[in-house]
Amino acid sequence: NAGVTQTPKFQVLKTGQSMTLQCAQDMNHEYMSWYRQDPGMGLRLIHYSVGAGITDQGEVPNGYNVSRSTTEDFPLRLLSAAPSQTSVYFCASSRTVLWEQYFGPGTRLTVT
Amino acid sequence: SQKIEQNSEALNIQEGKTATLTCNYTNYSPAYLQWYRQDPGRGPVFLLLIRENEKEKRKERLKVTFDTTLKQSLFHITASQPADSATYLCALDGSGGYNKLIFGAGTRLAVHP
Repeated sequence: NAGVTQTPKFQVLKTGQSMTLQCAQDMNHEYMSWYRQDPGMGLRLIHYSVGAGITDQGEVPNGYNVSRSTTEDFPLRLLSAAPSQTSVYFCASSRTVLWEQYFGPGTRLTVT
Repeated sequence: SQKIEQNSEALNIQEGKTATLTCNYTNYSPAYLQWYRQDPGRGPVFLLLIRENEKEKRKERLKVTFDTTLKQSLFHITASQPADSATYLCALDGSGGYNKLIFGAGTRLAVHP
């Protein structure tokens, strides 16, 4: 099992560019989520999904889109990157939200 | 507003002592609370989960308590080792259908030989 994988590991964008952060899991987990982590602020929930075809907003969804067409994949799209989106992004998965979360290694994004 | 508070100051302790980390919350009624460990440059790793009807849970040198009256969880590491040095995060299910896992900012623990 690879667990939760994220690509890329690092990314630099210019303001206004768009990109997709990839997340995949091979544990057949129903629940997947995206967090961003900023110094002193901990992990903040961006979007989550309780199963294929079902997504919902977390605490800080503005500027991000998600979709869940398969159980395995949960990509996060930045529509028009802004410097405020400079952060480390983590994807997580679990059987349900009430169970332990498995986190990916993270993507460090810098927007200039 | 809803808030999860963990001590933002680093906790420094000597090897062999017990480390105690605190997680306080307001305006939540969580069904459960989780603790994670995060090392620099890595994703968080799950440690323990405790449910609202459980007062205490143990796993090897780790112990978690959950007091829903005080709205507080305590996380203990006994016989601490330098390898326990990391940031520890608490998380609980947010309001509105138990589909959101909300994290505190974490407390950094440094265990000195």
